[in-house]
Amino acid sequence: TQLLEQSPQFLSIQEGENLTVYCNSSSVFSSLQWYRQEPGEGPVLLVTVVTGGEVKKLKRLTFQFGDARKDSSLHITAAQPGDTGLYLCAGPLPIYNNAGNMLTFGGGTRLMVKP
Amino acid sequence: NAGVTQTPKFQVLKTGQSMTLQCAQDMNHEYMSWYRQDPGMGLRLIHYSVGAGITDQGEVPNGYNVSRSTTEDFPLRLLSAAPSQTSVYFCASKRWQNSNQPQHFGDGTRLSIL
Repeated sequence: TQLLEQSPQFLSIQEGENLTVYCNSSSVFSSLQWYRQEPGEGPVLLVTVVTGGEVKKLKRLTFQFGDARKDSSLHITAAQPGDTGLYLCAGPLPIYNNAGNMLTFGGGTRLMVKP
Repeated sequence: NAGVTQTPKFQVLKTGQSMTLQCAQDMNHEYMSWYRQDPGMGLRLIHYSVGAGITDQGEVPNGYNVSRSTTEDFPLRLLSAAPSQTSVYFCASKRWQNSNQPQHFGDGTRLSIL
């Protein structure tokens, strides 16, 4: 059982549509990060959210951290083919007393945006 | 500035063989780690190091060894490869103190064990 559960696992949409990806846990996290990974490459950090209820925007991407710091969401407005990739949420492993260095990852959401 | 460099990019091994996956970073980061990525499971932490001479186990350490003799290098060793170790392996580094700093990942090593 993974500590961070992502949904949906797969998402295929047309260019211009909106979508939301979810990252849920029964544990409280001090922070959560979102990464995007393209084929043949390592994950690249998109954003870190640290405060319950926090909302961060990165162009057409909106990230929200739940009030209880147990969940997060990523909303993409007017998706483009360039948004295609694997989206991963990650948070500091609770069993380690670390400053966000040892991460646990969700299973990922594979997004395909068709032109 | 190369970031995190992993070699090789691809490798096929037979069961029982040993090999070392190389990882080097040129950002003078204290913290380095190894993850494996399997379909639908995200990335799982294998081993990590908070500085030269210091290593510790992550979530899935069995079957793997690491060492950290320099700040730059963090090799991962498979002592006796098993088919269950077929995966994509990622090395990452970051500055130790600030949790909001990103982990910088290499491009991965795709390993198949026959």
